[in-house]
Amino acid sequence: AQSVTQLGSHVSVSEGALVLLRCNYSSSVPPYLFWYVQYPNQGLQLLLKYTTGATLVKGINGFEAEFKKSETSFHLTKPSAHMSDAAEYFCAVREAGSNYKLTFGKGTLLTVNP
Amino acid sequence: DADVTQTPRNRITKTGKRIMLECSQTKGHDRMYWYRQDPGLGLRLIYYSFDVKDINKGEISDGYSVSRQAQAKFSLSLESAIPNQTALYFCATSEGVGWHDGYTFGSGTRLTVV
Repeated sequence: AQSVTQLGSHVSVSEGALVLLRCNYSSSVPPYLFWYVQYPNQGLQLLLKYTTGATLVKGINGFEAEFKKSETSFHLTKPSAHMSDAAEYFCAVREAGSNYKLTFGKGTLLTVNP
Repeated sequence: DADVTQTPRNRITKTGKRIMLECSQTKGHDRMYWYRQDPGLGLRLIYYSFDVKDINKGEISDGYSVSRQAQAKFSLSLESAIPNQTALYFCATSEGVGWHDGYTFGSGTRLTVV
């Protein structure tokens, strides 16, 4: 079974600082990888995804992530944090085979300090 | 209207009561999922359905049941609610085999069992 590990359940940055949220996955086949964001009292919203092709993918709100097969990583970054980025972020991997279900990491809560 | 609608948004119920959470979608997606979210545990899959006649247990199905009344409707029931079922519940949808666009989530139902 595939799995996702998000390093750091809580990350705190200052406004304007680099945001780096870490995600490592395990998969025996090329994965599809996703980042979702959950703002307070809301559902999960797709931030970006990697399926095939370019390994650096850009998402909404200035976020991007790079798929590194050799490191089995898909870290999420944003050059300059904004107060509105405060939310919980989930990394997910799509299973191979007939099921094609998403497996989620436990989430990372991002706090942005003024 | 939202693509995936969950009702109710909030519910407080007593131990031992039967409760149903409802989900409807306008995406036209074949697949529907029920997850629960608990702090520090991420999202865990309860049940999923690939079409009206195909319903499957997820990793934490004990104490829950589901009904897929139509392609657009997928309900989750707690037959006899207990306090440790207090959580945030999400319904999600996706396309069929080979999908790559990720899940579309509802806004969630916050359930409290007292």
